[in-house]
Amino acid sequence: DTGVSQNPRHKITKRGQNVTFRCDPISEHNRLYWYRQTLGQGPEFLTYFQNEAQLEKSRLLSDRFSAERPKGSFSTLEIQRTEQGDSAMYLCASQYQPGTAVYEQYFGPGTRLTVT
Amino acid sequence: ELKVEQNPLFLSMQEGKNYTIYCNYSTTSDRLYWYRQDPGKSLESLFVLLSNGAVKQEGRLMASLDTKARLSTLHITAAVHDLSATYFCAVDTSGGGADGLTFGKGTHLIIQP
Repeated sequence: DTGVSQNPRHKITKRGQNVTFRCDPISEHNRLYWYRQTLGQGPEFLTYFQNEAQLEKSRLLSDRFSAERPKGSFSTLEIQRTEQGDSAMYLCASQYQPGTAVYEQYFGPGTRLTVT
Repeated sequence: ELKVEQNPLFLSMQEGKNYTIYCNYSTTSDRLYWYRQDPGKSLESLFVLLSNGAVKQEGRLMASLDTKARLSTLHITAAVHDLSATYFCAVDTSGGGADGLTFGKGTHLIIQP
């Protein structure tokens, strides 16, 4: 399977715990995005990377959220001190962006987080 | 702040009928995307519309873009049950995805036999 993969697919955690999600993009895609989707809403953009550089992070929901893409391949999204309001689907998308040409973002299956 | 509004948000229709979903956005953009999402699943790309007047068709779905009106439409022809899903439009205002996509709330479409 050469699509975007995310792990774990489901995560249940207790309030106050830290969680980390992983995203493996399509191999030749240089851009990687994180979104959050709550029930009945469209995905909400959080952050993105071009190769290993995090070029936009002002939309992360709070300083409890952080993301890395250390070698320009897979990425991790960490939420510290989780709150019940963090319960949502976290989606990763990757995109091939060579210069000015425009290509769509391909989404992974998501990680569903439940904070109890 | 960019706003993307879809209507209707819920639509129940019979097989064989035609219908149109509308997507309005509040700022200049010439890149608009349509995605499909099945329950509990991720998003599947349907169309990428890159210029004013762009029209794309795939099977029973046709999407168009009017950048002057800031409006995109997704038209369903002779609906079949398999098209039941939630459809999202998304706008890219940064010229290539640098600010991510801004999504509408989605149109939940149910097609009844």
